[in-house]
Amino acid sequence: EPEVTQTPSHQVTQMGQEVILRCVPISNHLYFYWYRQILGQKVEFLVSFYNNEISEKSEIFDDQFSVERPDGSNFTLKIRSTKLEDSAMYFCASSLWTGQETQYFGPGTRLLVL
Amino acid sequence: SQQGEEDPQALSIQEGENATMNCSYKTSINNLQWYRQNSGRGLVHLILIRSNEREKHSGRLRVTLDTSKKSSSLLITASRAADTASYFCATANFGNEKLTFGTGTRLTIIP
Repeated sequence: EPEVTQTPSHQVTQMGQEVILRCVPISNHLYFYWYRQILGQKVEFLVSFYNNEISEKSEIFDDQFSVERPDGSNFTLKIRSTKLEDSAMYFCASSLWTGQETQYFGPGTRLLVL
Repeated sequence: SQQGEEDPQALSIQEGENATMNCSYKTSINNLQWYRQNSGRGLVHLILIRSNEREKHSGRLRVTLDTSKKSSSLLITASRAADTASYFCATANFGNEKLTFGTGTRLTIIP
C-alpha cells in the first residue's frame, strides 16, 4: 500500500541553524501539507501546497519557513534559522484531490533544537 | 472549548470491552476524520465521515456524527491490546484545506 515517507526520522540541530525536512508524498496525490506537534500538544497545521504554490498557511508559518517541491517526488520544509520553540514532531501529509479528502500522514521527523 | 476536543482525555478498559471516545467541535464542517497515534509515532488514518453522513463502519470501528450537536463519537468494539494508542479527531471546514485536530484521547487496553 502506498505511503508517505519522511526523512530523517530524527534531527538534532543548534539554534540558528537551517534545517530541511524531506517528504515523499503518495505518488498520485496532488495536495501536500506540513503539520507539527509539539510534545504533549495538539497537531497543528502549518501549510498546504498545490500546483507548485502555497494554497493556505497558518500564523505559525512565518518568514522562517518555506516549502518547495524540487522535483516530481519530493516535498520539503525548510526552517531558515531554528529556534528552541521549533522543537517538535513534523508531519508531512498528502491527499489525492482537494483538501477535503482523506489526508495520509507520514511517520514524522522529530526535530530537536538545542 | 476549542475546535475538536475529545473526551475523555484518558480511558482505560479491559481487553475485549468496547471503547467509546467523543469529539466536539464549534464550526460547521465538511468532514471529520479520526486518526490513531501510537506513542511518539505517526498518525494513522482510521475513518472519514462527511457532514451529510450520520454513521460509518469500518471493521471494529463505528463512527457517528451529529452535526446539530457538533459532535462525533468513535466506538472500538472488542478492544485488543494493540488498540492502545492516542485517538484524535480532526475537522475539515468548507473552503479551506487544513485539518484542525483535537486534543486526543489516550486509550489503554489492559490485557
